Amino acid sequence: EIVMTQSPATLSVSPGERATLYCRASQSVGNNLAWYQQKPGQAPRLLIYGASTRASGIEDRFSGSGSGTEFTLTISRLQSEDFAVYYCQQYEYWPPYTFGQGAKVEIK
Amino acid sequence: QVQLVQSGSEVKKPGSSVKVSCATSGGAFTRTTFSWVRQAPGQGLEWLGRITPIHDTTHYAQKFEARVAITADKSTTTVYMELSSLTSDDTATYYCARDAARGYYIDHWGQGTLVTVSS
Repeated sequence: EIVMTQSPATLSVSPGERATLYCRASQSVGNNLAWYQQKPGQAPRLLIYGASTRASGIEDRFSGSGSGTEFTLTISRLQSEDFAVYYCQQYEYWPPYTFGQGAKVEIK
Repeated sequence: QVQLVQSGSEVKKPGSSVKVSCATSGGAFTRTTFSWVRQAPGQGLEWLGRITPIHDTTHYAQKFEARVAITADKSTTTVYMELSSLTSDDTATYYCARDAARGYYIDHWGQGTLVTVSS
């Protein structure tokens, strides 16, 4: 089973600044990586798939990069609605689909 | 517009089973794949398994394989997840989700169903 490790666990950022989240896979997953956003009390929402392709309707301040074992989600110009928990998920090797443990972006 | 509407919250006794439904609309049901993902309180996301209704093919996470069953009713475009031998560790919100057509990630989620296991 592929283990996904996210860092940092919590990131404190001021509105308008940039946030960078990291996701590492225990072995290469190519570019088969997705990012999700989850706000309290809500279901997750797909942000990025294929490591760098924004899902439909996702704002261009969200960008993904990386391949193999190292991936990055960048949120430029953080807005109030971006403070949430973010998860990465690999889908190169399944079952199971495996998620990172989550990374919280909080207001500084 | 894809919609996944799940059944309501459940409270179950340890050792019992729970069956959660997910009514789907707005997509090509039989050609789509649906997954179930759970989230314990304050914890991360955990994938249980998936089904492709066109041929009723299922895949399960090894951790749950012995006690989970995912089924689909083509006549009502509804997907079900049944989990047996419940313990308090199964207390979680269970999400029905639609897999993307392009890959094994999830592009639509249901609203979640809270299952509480308590004596």
